[in-house]
Amino acid sequence: DGGITQSPKYLFRKEGQNVTLSCEQNLNHDAMYWYRQDPGQGLRLIYYSQIVNDFQKGDIAEGYSVSREKKESFPLTVTSAQKNPTAFYLCASSTMGQGFYNEQFFGPGTRLTVL
Amino acid sequence: GNSVTQMEGPVTLSEEAFLTINCTYTATGYPSLFWYVQYPGEGLQLLLKATKADDKGSNKGFEATYRKETTSFHLEKGSVQVSDSAVYFCALGPRNSGNTPLVFGKGTRLSVIA
Repeated sequence: DGGITQSPKYLFRKEGQNVTLSCEQNLNHDAMYWYRQDPGQGLRLIYYSQIVNDFQKGDIAEGYSVSREKKESFPLTVTSAQKNPTAFYLCASSTMGQGFYNEQFFGPGTRLTVL
Repeated sequence: GNSVTQMEGPVTLSEEAFLTINCTYTATGYPSLFWYVQYPGEGLQLLLKATKADDKGSNKGFEATYRKETTSFHLEKGSVQVSDSAVYFCALGPRNSGNTPLVFGKGTRLSVIA
């Protein structure tokens, strides 16, 4: 089945530790995205990548880092500099549009809890 | 710039009631428009989409029509079920912009009671 995989579904870390969230897609999509969602809130864009070895900051990039070494993978590292990292993290991907915008496909999410 | 405004929730309906969730947008040109649904603890799923004016997207009994004159894309369903309880997001994708991120509304939580 084609889709987006995020692992693990639940992640617990102690304060001050860096943690990396995995996102893999087998849809052959060019672009990948990371969003953060807090309880009862909408989506906030952290980083996105339109092509391998390139990525752009979103609205709330501070305290996060990413890499895009392979087309199918876009891991997100939550660093100790992120002041309030406990949240639900969503990864998404999309293809290049043909004159109109193609939809984004989302993974199942990772719930990160920092103790 | 591009933006999406959708009605704030939560919305609580009885089973078999009619649903409308309003969504209006601001964009340059003619964007594509989407409705996504998020069930508790899950990622977002595409519910329906429309790529040009007067297009009607439909899926699972839900419908939305792309109205250029009113810059709207309201979500409707004639008879909701308990299983429709979820958060619904309206979103736009700018035309000819490649793979720039979608612009999302803040989401509307729907609760359907039996």
